[in-house]
Amino acid sequence: AQSVSQHNHHVILSEAASLELGCNYSYGGTVNLFWYVQYPGQHLQLLLKYFSGDPLVKGIKGFEAEFIKSKFSFNLRKPSVQWSDTAEYFCAVNGGSQGNLIFGKGTKLSVKP
Amino acid sequence: EADIYQTPRYLVIGTGKKITLECSQTMGHDKMYWYQQDPGMELHLIHYSYGVNSTEKGDLSSESTVSRIRTEHFPLTLESARPSHTSQYLCASSELGGYTFGSGTRLTVV
Repeated sequence: AQSVSQHNHHVILSEAASLELGCNYSYGGTVNLFWYVQYPGQHLQLLLKYFSGDPLVKGIKGFEAEFIKSKFSFNLRKPSVQWSDTAEYFCAVNGGSQGNLIFGKGTKLSVKP
Repeated sequence: EADIYQTPRYLVIGTGKKITLECSQTMGHDKMYWYQQDPGMELHLIHYSYGVNSTEKGDLSSESTVSRIRTEHFPLTLESARPSHTSQYLCASSELGGYTFGSGTRLTVV
């Protein structure tokens, strides 16, 4: 069965620190990859997505992610976090027989001002 | 701003009651989904639909049922709510790989 693993359950950073959130998936076929963010009390919002082409994807709010096919990874990065980045981040893969999104367990990011 | 709407936003209900969680989208998407999300856990797909009169169960077994009589509407029903149904329920729709999520319904069964 397909699965998505997010390595960090809770990450605590100070403002201006660099961020990298890990995401690995298990699916051997062609995949579409997503990162979603959920701010407290709000709905899931798309940060960025990868379908094909340049494996380095730039998203909103200064986030980027790199698809490394050989490692089945799609890690999320941001060079300098802000307090407003405090949220929960979900990695997701769309590659199943049903074509539905499979989510990781999420990583809670807390940024200290 | 999301074009997918869920009501109610919060619901506290007694055991044994029948409830319907509403989900509507204005984008004309054929594909719609219901996910269940518990704190600290991944979203689990419980139902999906690829169009009118099409409904399927997802990866996570659920005692809820869904219907898709109109493209824009995808309600989820629990015939007899139990405390184990306490969770957040997220509705989504998609087209060409792009997904849009509603704000969710946080259900508490007491």
